[in-house]
Amino acid sequence: GAVVSQHPSWVICKSGTSVKIECRSLDFQATTMFWYRQFPKQSLMLMATSNEGSKATYEQGVEKDKFLINHASLTLSTLTVTSAHPEDSSFYICSARGGRPTNEKLFFGSGTQLSVL
Amino acid sequence: RKEVEQDPGPFNVPEGATVAFNCTYSNSASQSFFWYRQDCRKEPKLLMSVYSSGNEDGRFTAQLNRASQYISLLIRDSKLSDSATYLCVVNRASGGSYIPTFGRGTSLIVHP
Repeated sequence: GAVVSQHPSWVICKSGTSVKIECRSLDFQATTMFWYRQFPKQSLMLMATSNEGSKATYEQGVEKDKFLINHASLTLSTLTVTSAHPEDSSFYICSARGGRPTNEKLFFGSGTQLSVL
Repeated sequence: RKEVEQDPGPFNVPEGATVAFNCTYSNSASQSFFWYRQDCRKEPKLLMSVYSSGNEDGRFTAQLNRASQYISLLIRDSKLSDSATYLCVVNRASGGSYIPTFGRGTSLIVHP
């Protein structure tokens, strides 16, 4: 089945640093990638949708200058948390979808646990 | 009203029990529906798609009621390994594509 690789699995960083998370589709072309954030015992909250070669579409309330998303190729999307602060500590997870817009299946990365000290 | 609503639970049931989860969605234009399972601090994994005619996969049965904008998941003969959070996912139409929207999940605990 389709595989999505997400790195790193966890990261601990000091407040004020930037953290980059990578999401790669290993055996299919991901025309669309989604980035979610999940706080403990909460739902996955969609942060942004990125389509290859175009700017990401951010959900309301998500700061685009703080959460930089790049989807430069059909197999790679990155999320950069700039100037991270403790309140950014969360579980970040990407998912990818290939094919037509109506292609329904989502393939998830394994998630990144970010802890900002 | 949230786009996708689920009872968070937890549902605490003994092994062998039958348990049902419900999910309602607010966007009548939603096209496709799924149940995912998520274990703690892991990525969600697709459990099954939900079709209008209802569908079954082993001990799991999913049903969709478009008129009531309601989805259900029934688990029969619960196993300890079924303990997890079950996420209802609805694809909502957006600009010619579909955006998957997650419910907050329903927690299931199966005990011996």
